[in-house]
Amino acid sequence: KAGVTQTPRYLIKTRGQQVTLSCSPISGHRSVSWYQQTPGQGLQFLFEYFSETQRNKGNFPGRFSGRQFSNSRSEMNVSTLELGDSALYLCASSPGRGGYSRDEQFFGPGTRLTVL
Amino acid sequence: AQTVTQSQPEMSVQEAETVTLSCTYDTSESNYYLFWYKQPPSRQMILVIRQEAYKQQNATENRFSVNFQKAAKSFSLKISDSQLGDTAMYFCAFMTPRSNFGNEKLTFGTGTRLTIIP
Repeated sequence: KAGVTQTPRYLIKTRGQQVTLSCSPISGHRSVSWYQQTPGQGLQFLFEYFSETQRNKGNFPGRFSGRQFSNSRSEMNVSTLELGDSALYLCASSPGRGGYSRDEQFFGPGTRLTVL
Repeated sequence: AQTVTQSQPEMSVQEAETVTLSCTYDTSESNYYLFWYKQPPSRQMILVIRQEAYKQQNATENRFSVNFQKAAKSFSLKISDSQLGDTAMYFCAFMTPRSNFGNEKLTFGTGTRLTIIP
C-alpha cells in the first residue's frame, strides 16, 4: 500500500505570494492532519480534516487554510507569505475507523517551503 | 493546554549500548495517548512506540521500550542494543482523543537529536 505523498517536495516563493500544498493520504484513510515544523517552534499542529470537514484547528492566523476533497486528498493554502512561513510542512493521515488503530498517524515526507 | 517537554536536545551513544530519552508532559486529562516518533535525517517521520494512559503495562516494540510513570507524568524511551540506523530526531508526542472517529492533534516536544557512534 502506498504511503502518504506530498507535492511538491520543495518550493521557493517570495513574500506576499500565496502557495498551495497537496497531500494524498494512504488509501482508505479519512483523516488528514497538517503540521508545521520549524527549528524555532518545533512541530505545531495546523488543522485536521475528516470527511471533508475541518474538525480541529491550531493557533495559526487565517492566512493558513485548508480543505479536503471527497477522495480524502487534502490541500493547504498559505496566502500573503511571510519570511516566517519558511518551514517543513508535514501531512499525516489516519484511518479514522475508531478503535486502537485510529490513533496512529502516518506522516508524509513533507514539503519544504522557503520564503525569500 | 497540554505541554510536552524533552529536556535533552542532543544525545550520543556508542553502537550496541542502551540509551534512554526523557519526556515529561503536563495535562489535566485522564484519558490520553503518548507516542514516540522518529525522524531520520531527510526521511519521513515514523511511529516508534505508543502508550495508552489507561494501561499500566509499559509498551515494548522489539528493542524499544517505554517507562511510563503516570503519576509523575513521565514517558521515557529506552533503546537497547542501539544501531546506526537509530540515528534520528526523536519526538515525544501527546494526544487526547475526544471523538470516536478521526484524529485529534498531536502535541510534540522539541525533540532529541540522537546520534549512534560506530
